[in-house]
Amino acid sequence: AQKVTQAQTEISVVEKEDVTLDCVYETRDTTYYLFWYKQPPSGELVFLIRRNSFDEQNEISGRYSWNFQKSTSSFNFTITASQVVDSAVYFCALSDLNSGAGSYQLTFGKGTKLSVIP
Amino acid sequence: DTEVTQTPKHLVMGMTNKKSLKCEQHMGHRAMYWYKQKAKKPPELMFVYSYEKLSINESVPSRFSPECPNSSLLNLHLHALQPEDSALYLCASSTRRTEGNTIYFGEGSWLTVV
Repeated sequence: AQKVTQAQTEISVVEKEDVTLDCVYETRDTTYYLFWYKQPPSGELVFLIRRNSFDEQNEISGRYSWNFQKSTSSFNFTITASQVVDSAVYFCALSDLNSGAGSYQLTFGKGTKLSVIP
Repeated sequence: DTEVTQTPKHLVMGMTNKKSLKCEQHMGHRAMYWYKQKAKKPPELMFVYSYEKLSINESVPSRFSPECPNSSLLNLHLHALQPEDSALYLCASSTRRTEGNTIYFGEGSWLTVV
């Protein structure tokens, strides 16, 4: 069975501070995908990044960076110089490689609510 | 902006009403999904359609009835709902494995059952 753990339920930071959101996963699959999604109060789940299990390169996109470590089964997300617009719930998710049916099932963590205070 | 479009954005319905949620995508994705999300919880999978055929039904009550008229459209028909069915309903579609296996979500439909 797959499992994603986001131990931080809520985090508050002051604007311009850096913040790291933790994600730890469990899977028996040797090939899998990891995702981060952002959900602002409006409700939409915004795709941020996908990482496959055989690519452990870290990635940076603007103020966002991701640290994937297979050895510790972690896929952490760092926001540098946080802004009020970063306030949202962030979900880490794990996907299997389904089936020939061409669809995928996401296992979500419980989410981390980030509040950036001006 | 999301390329998965959901309507309506907000819906209030009585327990005896029949209504539908609609979802559309024009990205050529052949898998589409319905998720339900309660407050302060992660999304929960309800249904999966792959190549317009229902491939997964996560034991959802029959008062929720999905329909996939074609590869771009996905509906969720609602009938005789209960107040506890009030939630955010998210539609999603996904790329094929060769295109990177990513699931994209719509903006969601906020449903209130009174």
